[in-house]
Amino acid sequence: RKEVEQDPGPFNVPEGATVAFNCTYSNSASQSFFWYRQDCRKEPKLLMSVYSSGNEDGRFTAQLNRASQYISLLIRDSKLSDSATYLCVVNGYGGSQGNLIFGKGTKLSVKP
Amino acid sequence: NAGVTQTPKFRVLKTGQSMTLLCAQDMNHEYMYWYRQDPGMGLRLIHYSVGEGTTAKGEVPDGYNVSRLKKQNFLLGLESAAPSQTSVYFCASSYSLRGGWSNQPQHFGDGTRLSIL
Repeated sequence: RKEVEQDPGPFNVPEGATVAFNCTYSNSASQSFFWYRQDCRKEPKLLMSVYSSGNEDGRFTAQLNRASQYISLLIRDSKLSDSATYLCVVNGYGGSQGNLIFGKGTKLSVKP
Repeated sequence: NAGVTQTPKFRVLKTGQSMTLLCAQDMNHEYMYWYRQDPGMGLRLIHYSVGEGTTAKGEVPDGYNVSRLKKQNFLLGLESAAPSQTSVYFCASSYSLRGGWSNQPQHFGDGTRLSIL
């Protein structure tokens, strides 16, 4: 099982739609979870951290399910500017516990 | 407020040439990282550093060397460039937590696009 797995997409949705991404991780001891956003040919940028109780930031909601080892990102009222690749990120373990493990990303395309 | 700055932004090399990529951060972060990103492969960690004078290998360290002589700078060297090293290179930095175990989000530079002919 890969450390961090995401559906690569693309998810093609109309403006105003609600879209959700899931991500699974392999290490049950992981403690830190993030969603990053990466625009085409740009650097990854932190979108939001994911907390155990779930958290919301405007139109974005992140959830963590430790029992099933997955995290989710929900985007409500999609905007054209939300088009990007969304990276699921989990902290490493063992010898790499100081590092973050990045998923390969889920591509979102919001259409007019 | 520069954050993480990478130099150069673009470079084309011939096979066998050497070069150094520079990363500088002004956030006083302890941890610094070098990644490469290739289509379909996602971000892969090359080397990282948990503090001045200390470096460690990541997932794909072969063909690269690094140095962290100053806390704010992290250099990535290609000893003898190969076409397989054509990629986009990202530097990142983060705070450390609990003295040597970092689970803080990383801040990225805007990348160096490197082509090896």
